[in-house]
Amino acid sequence: EPEVTQTPSHQVTQMGQEVILRCVPISNHLYFYWYRQILGQKVEFLVSFYNNEISEKSEIFDDQFSVERPDGSNFTLKIRSTKLEDSAMYFCASSEEGFSGNEQFFGPGTRLTVL
Amino acid sequence: QKEVEQDPGPLSVPEGAIVSLNCTYSNSAFQYFMWYRQYSRKGPELLMYTYSSGNKEDGRFTAQVDKSSKYISLFIRDSQPSDSATYLCAMRRDSNYQLIWGAGTKLIIKP
Repeated sequence: EPEVTQTPSHQVTQMGQEVILRCVPISNHLYFYWYRQILGQKVEFLVSFYNNEISEKSEIFDDQFSVERPDGSNFTLKIRSTKLEDSAMYFCASSEEGFSGNEQFFGPGTRLTVL
Repeated sequence: QKEVEQDPGPLSVPEGAIVSLNCTYSNSAFQYFMWYRQYSRKGPELLMYTYSSGNKEDGRFTAQVDKSSKYISLFIRDSQPSDSATYLCAMRRDSNYQLIWGAGTKLIIKP
């Protein structure tokens, strides 16, 4: 069964460093998303991406964040200068359709620890 | 008022029991309603989704949406220890992509 994959599973970084989290969405999906979940808190939407551009973003997704689809398979989230409060699980998701599609499939997540 | 409210539990029931999990929400614009299951330190796994009001059944799982009360439910019949997980409700408007999540209910099925 096709699935969303994410690498690395755990990333430890120093405050102020740049990190890139990587995702491979399901191959025939066209819509891509990033969510995060701070330990013990709700899952929060960060950004959606379609046709090589951001279609929607939340207040959390400020200038420190960027997304990219560098090739036909990968989808990345970059945090330019990490802060302690960026420590969280970051989930990538993809869906076949957009507004009319209900099924966002999630990857296993990358645990980001900022020291 | 929070957009989506969900009792975090834990909810502990004996194996074989019928489980009822619920969320309430405040935004009448929500049209798509989902239930995800999340095992510890894993990604959410989609269980059920419903568009607008009504019921949907899939095996041991039934999802219900009551838009007039802004209340959604997930029922699990013949619960198994393997159903032990955190169950998250999520919902979104017709016109955007972002899912708005409940806090998740931790469910424990005792053998």
